[in-house]
Amino acid sequence: GQSLEQPSEVTAVEGAIVQINCTYQTSGFYGLSWYQQHDGGAPTFLSYNGLDGLEETGRFSSFLSRSDSYGYLLLQELQMKDSASYFCAVTPGNYQLIWGAGTKLIIKP
Amino acid sequence: SQTIHQWPATLVQPVGSPLSLECTVEGTSNPNLYWYRQAAGRGLQLLFYSVGIGQISSEVPQNLSASRPQDRQFILSSKKLLLSDSGFYLCAWSVVSGEKLFFGSGTQLSVL
Repeated sequence: GQSLEQPSEVTAVEGAIVQINCTYQTSGFYGLSWYQQHDGGAPTFLSYNGLDGLEETGRFSSFLSRSDSYGYLLLQELQMKDSASYFCAVTPGNYQLIWGAGTKLIIKP
Repeated sequence: SQTIHQWPATLVQPVGSPLSLECTVEGTSNPNLYWYRQAAGRGLQLLFYSVGIGQISSEVPQNLSASRPQDRQFILSSKKLLLSDSGFYLCAWSVVSGEKLFFGSGTQLSVL
């Protein structure tokens, strides 16, 4: 089967750095995406990695290692507004996105 | 710029009643369109996908159906709602199939 594994919950302190990991097992792979979803809201696209390496967008970075079937989202200088659920998703090659179950990020002052 | 509109934001319907949720996209042509459902505290379940007018792929057999009568309009329907149809319904679009999805604001459906 196809699956993505990510921690269910991560806790960090405001101003710190946090890393959310995602490992995947899929029949095909075109890329790994990350989405942010605040409670009651819709997911918003954060980043996409089609090739190995690090992609940086402001305080957020995303990394991919295709040989390890592994990626992570790195959030720096955490702010209270970053409290949300973060989903990794794999594009296996067709129209689908295979979604992880989400990681709830709790930020403490 | 591209925008996606989804309505209504919340809906409370009795069991056995019909459903129609509508989604429209502006500012792009021939988008890939998706309907997802999300249970509380869970991940996203793909319900339907469309690459063009009248072209619908169904992922989950159930009492829901989808239609795409115009290029940028996607409709989710049901003739008779079940309790299990409750959830957060999200419409999304993308330029490239399966990449970089943009979501509507969602519809919270409660079937009572």
